[in-house]
Amino acid sequence: GQSLEQPSEVTAVEGAIVQINCTYQTSGFNGLFWYQQHAGEAPTFLSYNVLDGLEEKGRFSSFLSRSKGYSYLLLKELQMKDSASYLCAVRGRAAGNKLTFGGGTRVLVKP
Amino acid sequence: DAGITQSPRHKVTETGTPVTLRCHQTENHRYMYWYRQDPGHGLRLIHYSYGVKDTDKGEVSDGYSVSRSKTEDFLLTLESATSSQTSVYFCAISETPNGLDSPLHFGNGTRLTVT
Repeated sequence: GQSLEQPSEVTAVEGAIVQINCTYQTSGFNGLFWYQQHAGEAPTFLSYNVLDGLEEKGRFSSFLSRSKGYSYLLLKELQMKDSASYLCAVRGRAAGNKLTFGGGTRVLVKP
Repeated sequence: DAGITQSPRHKVTETGTPVTLRCHQTENHRYMYWYRQDPGHGLRLIHYSYGVKDTDKGEVSDGYSVSRSKTEDFLLTLESATSSQTSVYFCAISETPNGLDSPLHFGNGTRLTVT
């Protein structure tokens, strides 16, 4: 099976950089995903990593180390609209393209 | 945006009654999923479907059943609702069938309260 751990909450100020960590255990690995979820809304896809290293998408970057079972999401130049929960999820090798999610990290951006 | 519609968006029901939630997609995707989201537990998979009449259980399937008679519709039924099934339910579809890098895209959710 799969399990993922994330910190429950992170607070940062506008314009700063915040890093959200995710550690995972999985039997078989077919990629790690990051989602953003604003309160009362659906999760929306942010990024995907399957190989080790950093993937950059504008202000957001995601890093993966498969040997350490570790990923992080880096949010740069924080804006108030970045206040949301960030969910990491892993895809194992079981049938169905299923994703197993961590509990999510709530990011609070202060002015 | 992926064409996913969940109905109803909100429902209040009484313990012991059956409840059916509907997920409708316009993308013609093969894979569809039902998750529930609860504080402290994140998103947990209830059931998923990999084609018409092809379904399988997720990690929290007890008390739930599903049906998929058409590609576009995936129904989740609570046979006899209990207060522990009070939750937000999300339907999701897979962007590319069999694509390992394909993310899930989520509907707007159904908030279910069982009193």
